[in-house]
Amino acid sequence: EVQLVESGGGLVQPGGSLRLSCVVSGFTFSKYWMHWVRQAPGKGLVWVSRMNSDGRTTNYADSVKGRFTISRDNAKNTLYLQMSSLTAEDTAVYYCAREGYYDSWSDLYYDAYDIWGQGTMVTVSS
Amino acid sequence: EIVMTQSPATLSVSPGESATLSCRASQSVSSNLAWYQQKPGQAPRLLMYTASSRATGIPARFSASGSGTEFTLTISGLQSADFAIYYCQQYNSWPYTFGQGTKVEIK
Repeated sequence: EVQLVESGGGLVQPGGSLRLSCVVSGFTFSKYWMHWVRQAPGKGLVWVSRMNSDGRTTNYADSVKGRFTISRDNAKNTLYLQMSSLTAEDTAVYYCAREGYYDSWSDLYYDAYDIWGQGTMVTVSS
Repeated sequence: EIVMTQSPATLSVSPGESATLSCRASQSVSSNLAWYQQKPGQAPRLLMYTASSRATGIPARFSASGSGTEFTLTISGLQSADFAIYYCQQYNSWPYTFGQGTKVEIK
């Protein structure tokens, strides 16, 4: 079964740090770009960061650039998000997502997010 | 950054009726558009990709169309499982961006 399982969320004080993990199973992790997407309470989906399959390319939303670091360990089938200098605006459910829906009819991959984890809640509050 | 605008924000529909959701891009995204469904307390689920193709396991009552800047998702014969929030997302230009969502609620 293809699965993404996030962990590491919790309550942290403003200015604090947290590391999220996303353990994947059921597919070849090292072949896919992976993303972090967050959702503040009652709000919509916002992309946070992405990393390519071999870990050499990363991108960040402006709102987290310089504070968050995405990484991956392909041997451990795990994606990470190291978050620091957290503020209340970072309070959200954080999802990891796989990019790359495979269409068997066309034998092509599309950059939609076809697999999502269940999310982990990060609350930044004093 | 491409801005995705969805309308309406909320759509009230009776079970069995159809719902039509709109998504507009601030510049052309070709057909590089996806639709997601999200139910309370759950992760989003991919419904449609490349603007009009259903993802694996998505019922035929879901259909979508559009290209360029104007896109539509139609749900025919709404069932109780379909009441949720729907997001569009463009993956034509980096950063990939989502619309703000349309909530489909029971009338």
